[in-house]
Amino acid sequence: DAKTTQPNSMESNEEEPVHLPCNHSTISGTDYIHWYRQLPSQGPEYVIHGLTSNVNNRMASLAIAEDRKSSTLILHRATLRDAAVYYCILSNSGGYQKVTFGIGTKLQVIP
Amino acid sequence: NAGVTQTPKFQVLKTGQSMTLQCAQDMNHEYMSWYRQDPGMGLRLIHYSVGAGITDQGEVPNGYNVSRSTTEDFPLRLLSAAPSQTSVYFCASSYTPGERIQYFGAGTRLSVL
Repeated sequence: DAKTTQPNSMESNEEEPVHLPCNHSTISGTDYIHWYRQLPSQGPEYVIHGLTSNVNNRMASLAIAEDRKSSTLILHRATLRDAAVYYCILSNSGGYQKVTFGIGTKLQVIP
Repeated sequence: NAGVTQTPKFQVLKTGQSMTLQCAQDMNHEYMSWYRQDPGMGLRLIHYSVGAGITDQGEVPNGYNVSRSTTEDFPLRLLSAAPSQTSVYFCASSYTPGERIQYFGAGTRLSVL
């Protein structure tokens, strides 16, 4: 199963953009790229997903490299509420049965 | 709309005791799953179900049982609790197994002494 690699931690200043990287060099053609985040003492929550093209939603943007071996989650303007652990995961067309959530990237937002 | 509801929120057990962690969703989702989260380990899949009456094992199924008699409920049973099962447990659901968005409950924090 394809795995992802993320930095353990990152810092950002409040109200500045944040770019969270994810490497997935063994991604297959049918794997979707998902991002979830987990606020302290809460369950993970969906942020965004994509297959090949860049995606935008109200929470974030997802930039996917042309070769799909890496992606970047972009928070356009970090707030204190964005301090969380961000998980980059892959799932194939079959769903989440083989999904692995790694330890993610812990984002600290500095006021 | 309650989403995914887990009970209890906290539980302390003695080694050898059994208990059931409850998970219910009100979104008519076919797919439900259980994860455990340990410090430094991320989330690991314990069991999952693609519909009522159908369950399968995930990455770390030993010591846990599940059943899915209704679409709404997916309880996780610890047969004989061990200290190694001290963890935070999350239940999740999605409309179908291939649905791109999973919804997670708030978690059950379990300590086994």
